[in-house]
Amino acid sequence: EDQVTQSPEALRLQEGESSSLNCSYTVSGLRGLFWYRQDPGKGPEFLFTLYSAGEEKEKERLKATLTKKESFLHITAPKPEDSATYLCAVQRDSGYSTLTFGKGTMLLVSP
Amino acid sequence: GAGVSQSPRYKVTKRGQDVTLRCDPISSHATLYWYQQALGQGPEFLTYFNYEAQPDKSGLPSDRFSAERPEGSISTLTIQRTEQRDSAMYRCASSLVFGVLETQYFGPGTRLLVL
Repeated sequence: EDQVTQSPEALRLQEGESSSLNCSYTVSGLRGLFWYRQDPGKGPEFLFTLYSAGEEKEKERLKATLTKKESFLHITAPKPEDSATYLCAVQRDSGYSTLTFGKGTMLLVSP
Repeated sequence: GAGVSQSPRYKVTKRGQDVTLRCDPISSHATLYWYQQALGQGPEFLTYFNYEAQPDKSGLPSDRFSAERPEGSISTLTIQRTEQRDSAMYRCASSLVFGVLETQYFGPGTRLLVL
């Protein structure tokens, strides 16, 4: 069974204080790992897809990295508008496969 | 449409009543997914459609849950004889095709409360 564990559950940062969110996964063959951002009352918003270990992707203040066991979402000099829940999901490399999500990390960036 | 839409956004019902939730995916998206999301949890897969075909119902929690997509576009999720444990956010997502690493785009969800 695929498992995705995200840590920490919640993180409070001061504006400008860089940090990382962790997503550990267990899957029998990874097709892809996805990061989503979810604002209160809204659906998850796609951020990144990572395909293979060693891959990195960046978008504004966010950078996602992938190893064979985990992914990190690095947030550099965060701003209050980065406050949201960040969800990680994996897709298994089988004939077809949907996404298995973690519980998310709730990030609060204070001004 | 420009994005995935869902209706109603909120639904309050009494235990034992049937409810039907609607999802309108991004136009031209072949694949549509239904998820259930409890508070403080990530979305959990219920079922998906590839056009009008429904290859996987494995995530549906009981036979009270059913979904349709008769014309390969709009989909409905019906819960019969609702129970309090059915209270959750129900999310719909769509992707262009079903295949390798196709990004799923999520709707705003329907929050269901069963009293």
